[in-house]
Amino acid sequence: DAKTTQPNSMESNEEEPVHLPCNHSTISGTDYIHWYRQLPSQGPEYVIHGLTSNVNNRMASLAIAEDRKSSTLILHRATLRDAAVYYCILEPSNTGKLIFGQGTTLQVKP
Amino acid sequence: DSGVTQTPKHLITATGQRVTLRCSPRSGDLSVYWYQQSLDQGLQFLIHYYNGEERAKGNILERFSAQQFPDLHSELNLSSLELGDSALYFCASSDRGTGTEAFFGQGTRLTVV
Repeated sequence: DAKTTQPNSMESNEEEPVHLPCNHSTISGTDYIHWYRQLPSQGPEYVIHGLTSNVNNRMASLAIAEDRKSSTLILHRATLRDAAVYYCILEPSNTGKLIFGQGTTLQVKP
Repeated sequence: DSGVTQTPKHLITATGQRVTLRCSPRSGDLSVYWYQQSLDQGLQFLIHYYNGEERAKGNILERFSAQQFPDLHSELNLSSLELGDSALYFCASSDRGTGTEAFFGQGTRLTVV
């Protein structure tokens, strides 16, 4: 299974945009790219996912590189509630299997 | 509230024992997934069932087994428990089997003493 690489931690100021990078250089052509986040003592929460094209939803945007070897999760205006561990995840096609990495701990400063 | 219900929330048991963790998926979801989260291993995929059939398997130990019943709820059975099995066990569900949003429960915290 392909793996993802993320920075261990990032900081952001409240109400500023945040760009969370992820490298997945060994991604297969049919692997989905997912982002989930996890708050302490809670289960992971879905943020966004995509295959080849950039995606937007009410929570965030996902920018996928043309060669699909990297992606960036964009939070347009960080709030204190966005402080969490963010996981960039690959899902081999037709398995439903989410392969979690170590994630990025995002701190949001007021 | 994700709509996924896991019971029990906490479980303390002794080494060598067997336990059953239960998961009720969101209404209408056909897929159920099990994950283990420990401090040293992070979140690890264990197994995926779709409409009663096993769809994918991760590094699930032979001492662990799971099934999905006709009413779509699922159970994860852990036997011959070891100290290293202490972890958070999450269940998730989704409407399809791939390329879709999964909803996670609050987890069952298992402590083996």
